[in-house]
Amino acid sequence: KAGVTQTPRYLIKTRGQQVTLSCSPISGHRSVSWYQQTPGQGLQFLFEYFSETQRNKGNFPGRFSGRQFSNSRSEMNVSTLELGDSALYLCASSVRQGWNEQYFGPGTRLTVT
Amino acid sequence: TQLLEQSPQFLSIQEGENLTVYCNSSSVFSSLQWYRQEPGEGPVLLVTVVTGGEVKKLKRLTFQFGDARKDSSLHITAAQPGDTGLYLCALREAQKVTFGIGTKLQVIP
Repeated sequence: KAGVTQTPRYLIKTRGQQVTLSCSPISGHRSVSWYQQTPGQGLQFLFEYFSETQRNKGNFPGRFSGRQFSNSRSEMNVSTLELGDSALYLCASSVRQGWNEQYFGPGTRLTVT
Repeated sequence: TQLLEQSPQFLSIQEGENLTVYCNSSSVFSSLQWYRQEPGEGPVLLVTVVTGGEVKKLKRLTFQFGDARKDSSLHITAAQPGDTGLYLCALREAQKVTFGIGTKLQVIP
């Protein structure tokens, strides 16, 4: 069974631009969560989607948004990029919503210059 | 917001040594997960502990959940270079997941 895939793996953007990251969950998994990982803050929860609806949200500004499609694939968008948005963005999929086994993708490394 | 503290933040040891890393919460939690993340990869779930005082073993790794359900530890026996990575603990509270900042372990051959 294929694992969680994220595209692109690396991305360089300029401050003020916007970016869209993609995540394809493991087949049969309906929940996708997004995390931001930085050396100073560690892994921080962004949001969780289940059945195309955002179920939970972390403490991030409205510039961070996401969506989930009917095939469970998910996208995350960051508008008006700031230097501090440079991070590894990870998505994780699980069979159902809630506290259970999550499988992480390799992440997208975003650099904002 | 529940906080998770992990210690030490960095650890460099020789192959064959034993080590213990710790995860402490500001309040009681119902369950906790441990992950290992290797460079260039996402975290991989190692174990979930749910019962106070619980001990789980995964080959050379021993996970313990404190009796008071506010702390957990991970002990590695006879560390191998393949154990190198970032060890993260995580808990879920009010539908939000909180991760510790992690312990970065380097095992030198």
